[in-house]
Amino acid sequence: EAGVTQFPSHSVIEKGQTVTLRCDPISGHDNLYWYRRVMGKEIKFLLHFVKESKQDESGMPNNRFLAERTGGTYSTLKVQPAELEDSGVYFCASSQFLTAGLGTGELFFGEGSRLTVL
Amino acid sequence: QKEVEQNSGPLSVPEGAIASLNCTYSDRGSQSFFWYRQYSGKSPELIMSIYSNGDKEDGRFTAQLNKASQYVSLLIRDSQPSDSATYLCAAELNYQLIWGAGTKLIIKP
Repeated sequence: EAGVTQFPSHSVIEKGQTVTLRCDPISGHDNLYWYRRVMGKEIKFLLHFVKESKQDESGMPNNRFLAERTGGTYSTLKVQPAELEDSGVYFCASSQFLTAGLGTGELFFGEGSRLTVL
Repeated sequence: QKEVEQNSGPLSVPEGAIASLNCTYSDRGSQSFFWYRQYSGKSPELIMSIYSNGDKEDGRFTAQLNKASQYVSLLIRDSQPSDSATYLCAAELNYQLIWGAGTKLIIKP
């Protein structure tokens, strides 16, 4: 079974440019999460999709970030225009169940997309 | 501010010894806790989950939870060089995972 895949693995762009990150979750996983980790800091939640709907987008830093999940399958995260502080590793994770309660909650992570904004 | 705190390390442990990783959390509303392992340049992978006070054992790993003290720990027995990684503690709150910054563990042969 294929795991969570992310593309690109590494992107280097200049301030003001646009970048689109893609995540393909595990087939059948309704829950898709985006996280970001800045060097040396903790992983921070960005948003959570249940199928194609945004369940929680409270972690999105500002309106330069736009996430979509067309048809409830893959998801994209667009940063436009990119700023220096957007640099970090963007992780996507998927799960079959909501991360709550007994017996649920394992998140399967992709290997991340490293974004460097110069 | 909901927080999960971990000592960043590195924590250096001789091969064969017990590695003890600790984590504290600030919000008593958290009920589920997770330990993830992350090798350099790789994705986090789930090691243990724990929901009830006390100990939970899985092979060489034991997770301990003390809700009164808001404290979670992970013990790794018979540490192996392959256990060298960053260990991330996460607490679930309102369907979100709140993450610690991770502890870097180094197992010395």
